[in-house]
Amino acid sequence: DIQMTQSPSTLSASVGDRVTITCRASQSISSWLAWYQQKPGKAPKLLIYKASSLESGVPSRFSGSGSGTEFTLTISSLQPDDFATYYCQQYNSYSGLTFGGGTKVEIK
Amino acid sequence: EVQLVESGGGLVKPGRSLRLSCTASGFTFGDYAMSWFRQAPGKGLEWVGFIRSKAYGGTTEYAASVKGRFTISRDDSKSIAYLQMNSLKTEDTAVYYCTRDPWEDGYMDYWGQGTLVTVSS
Repeated sequence: DIQMTQSPSTLSASVGDRVTITCRASQSISSWLAWYQQKPGKAPKLLIYKASSLESGVPSRFSGSGSGTEFTLTISSLQPDDFATYYCQQYNSYSGLTFGGGTKVEIK
Repeated sequence: EVQLVESGGGLVKPGRSLRLSCTASGFTFGDYAMSWFRQAPGKGLEWVGFIRSKAYGGTTEYAASVKGRFTISRDDSKSIAYLQMNSLKTEDTAVYYCTRDPWEDGYMDYWGQGTLVTVSS
């Protein structure tokens, strides 16, 4: 299976900050990468698919970039509702979908 | 409005079986692949398996950790996906999520609220 490594695992930031989360794949996955946001006790929510396509209804302060093995999720101006855990997920091969370990965005 | 509602979770002893259901509404269920994921308490997300739509053959794929023990099926007439879990182990304890794959290529646009399965003696 393709291994996904996210960094950092925890991030402390303030409202208004620009935040960047990195996800690296153990082999090339082209642009087959999604990002999800999860709040405690809730199901994940799709933010970005195909590395940089914004899901309908998701605020434009979220953006994704990258291809191959290195990807980033950027929140341009962190809002109170954005404090959550973020996961990347590769879908290069449907026989082995895998996630990064998650990045918890905390209030500084 | 798309809704996915899981049911069937609970406490079960190791070695026993449990069947989860995912009841869908708000979309043409038969047109979509459906997947199951799980999340152990305090841990990250893990893909369990999926079933393609009939248009793509209705075939299934499973994670290595559950292959041979878990089976996914679907009843398009009832808009329900099932996860049959046999030979349960304590490490199968998790919240199980049902999801919709909009393009049958592996990312999920809708998730259910999840149902907790606890495997313990």
